[in-house]
Amino acid sequence: QVQLQQWGAGLLKPSETLSLTCAVYGGSFSGYYWSWIRQPPGKGLEWIGEIDHSGSTNYNPSLKSRVTISVDTSKNQFSLKLSSVTAADTAVYYCARADEWLVQQVDYYYGMDVWGQGTTVTVSS
Amino acid sequence: DIQMTQSPSSLSASVGDRVIITCRASQSISSYLNWYQQKPGKAPKLLIYAASSLQSGVPSRFSGSGSGTDFTLTISSLQPEDFATYYCQQSYSTPRSFGQGTKVEIK
Repeated sequence: QVQLQQWGAGLLKPSETLSLTCAVYGGSFSGYYWSWIRQPPGKGLEWIGEIDHSGSTNYNPSLKSRVTISVDTSKNQFSLKLSSVTAADTAVYYCARADEWLVQQVDYYYGMDVWGQGTTVTVSS
Repeated sequence: DIQMTQSPSSLSASVGDRVIITCRASQSISSYLNWYQQKPGKAPKLLIYAASSLQSGVPSRFSGSGSGTDFTLTISSLQPEDFATYYCQQSYSTPRSFGQGTKVEIK
């Protein structure tokens, strides 16, 4: 049973860099996309970005200038860094595994099937 | 970027009711549509991928349909554990955007 365990600083000051790490236990690291998603208090989900085991990344353009997602395959971990944070970055941050499934022998379809427990990050002076 | 719009934003229903939630994409996404369930204080859970494929372990009372721009999530007979917020997500292209959510409350 694959599990994701995430950690990182929960309280930041404006202009600091958010740093979170997610470790993968009980499963393979290769062959999947490893994602970060956030949820501001009382609001919906926002996709931040993803990385595959080779280090290829996709980022949300709204955050791209401030986001870096990296992977450490030797430790089965991936990380999120978000620079120059403001109060608008206050949210619960989730890591997640994205898999792809072949449907009707036609194409592969993507979904986030394993999630971390979430980390609450508050940005306040 | 593809915008995802869900309706309604919230609904009240009783145990045993049939519930339908709609999701519309701002452009065609074929069948690249997922549905997630989120309970308060918990991470989302994948229910359906590829618009209509049930994720392993998800009860059969959940079903999805649609393609192109219009999709639905149906709960055939609402159970007490189904009261939650539901999100659609497109996986057609990045950024992999979510709908704003539909909160299903007890009537």
